[in-house]
This record gives sequence, structure tokens and C-alpha cells, in this order.
Amino acid sequence: RKEVEQDPGPFNVPEGATVAFNCTYSNSASQSFFWYRQDCRKEPKLLMSVYSSGNEDGRFTAQLNRASQYISLLIRDSKLSDSATYLCVVRAGNNRKLIWGLGTSLAVNP
Amino acid sequence: GAVVSQHPSWVICKSGTSVKIECRSLDFQATTMFWYRQFPKQSLMLMATSNEGSKATYEQGVEKDKFLINHASLTLSTLTVTSAHPEDSSFYICSAAPGLAGAQYFGPGTRLLVL
Repeated sequence: RKEVEQDPGPFNVPEGATVAFNCTYSNSASQSFFWYRQDCRKEPKLLMSVYSSGNEDGRFTAQLNRASQYISLLIRDSKLSDSATYLCVVRAGNNRKLIWGLGTSLAVNP
Repeated sequence: GAVVSQHPSWVICKSGTSVKIECRSLDFQATTMFWYRQFPKQSLMLMATSNEGSKATYEQGVEKDKFLINHASLTLSTLTVTSAHPEDSSFYICSAAPGLAGAQYFGPGTRLLVL
């Protein structure tokens, strides 16, 4: 089993749609969780950290379920510019190394 | 947010050449930096963890004599691809984190093409 698993997609949605991505992790000792986005041929960029109580940043909402070991990302009112690959990232304990999911591809269509 | 720069952004070289890539944290100090490689349509692969003032920690399967890492200061790490071959052609990206438990911030990456 992969340490961090994501549905690769692609998710094709129309503008304005709401889309949700899930990610599961295998190490119950994981302490920090993040969502990054990566555009084609570019470096990953931090979208948001994920906190235990859940957090929201504009149209983006992240949730963490420690009991089930999954993380979610909800994007509301999708924009064309949201088209990218969304990477679920986990850090276990005090280890500074990040464990990366393979990413979920999102295409927002006009 | 934290800014990481990387240089050069593009390298095209002949087989057998050594290529040096620099990674700098511009507005914070980083005792640890990370070097990744990404092939087209594949996920990021961590190559090594660069530690300031000590030896880098390499991931399994990554040749330390081929990919030399030097982390000489709190804001600079370098990756040297020695005797590059066409199979080393890839997108090399570095990252660093301002704190111990926070997110990592990435440089813009270096595209290496070995002919």
C-alpha cells in the first residue's frame, strides 16, 4: 500500500462546479498535512496546510479525519485557473521529509 | 510566503558534462533543503535531504557519487550532476522550509536536457 494515495483522476468539471478530492495516508503517526497544486511544467506551490479542525481559504476547504486517516480538499465555484494537479502531502512525526501523493488532475472547462 | 530561488532554470549539455544547480532560500535560513526530481507525467521523487554543515542523506537508489550535494551555508545548497547522461534529463526541483514542522517551499526548478 502506498503511503499516500490519491485518485489520479482526471476530474473534468464545468466552471462553477464544486469538486472534492480525497487522500488517504497509511502512517498513523503523521503529524502535518498539506495540499499543493502543480501546474504543468512548473514547481509545486503550497495551496494550504490542513489543520485538525478543518480550515477554509476562500473557495478552498480542507478537512482532516485522523481516525480514518484521510484528508479532503473541496473547491467551490471552480474557475478555469483551478485546472492543475493537486498533490496531497503528509509529514510523519518529527521527520522533516514529506511524503507525496501522485496527485489528482483537475480540468475545469468553460 | 517564503521564497526559494533556483539557478539555472534551463540547462542543455553534452553527455559526460557535469552540471551544477543552485538552490537559495532568499528570505529565511534553512538548515535543511530537499532535492527532488520529476520525470514527465510522473510524481515528484525525493532524491536527497541536504543538511547544512553535514553530509546529505540520500534516498534509496540514488547514487551519492553521481549526485553531489553541498550545503555550505544556511541559504545555499547545490546539486551537481556528475558525468550527466541522457537518462539524467529531468526536472530537478529544490525545496526548503522556514521552520521545523511547516510546509516546504519550492524553487522554480531546473530543466536538464542531456544530449
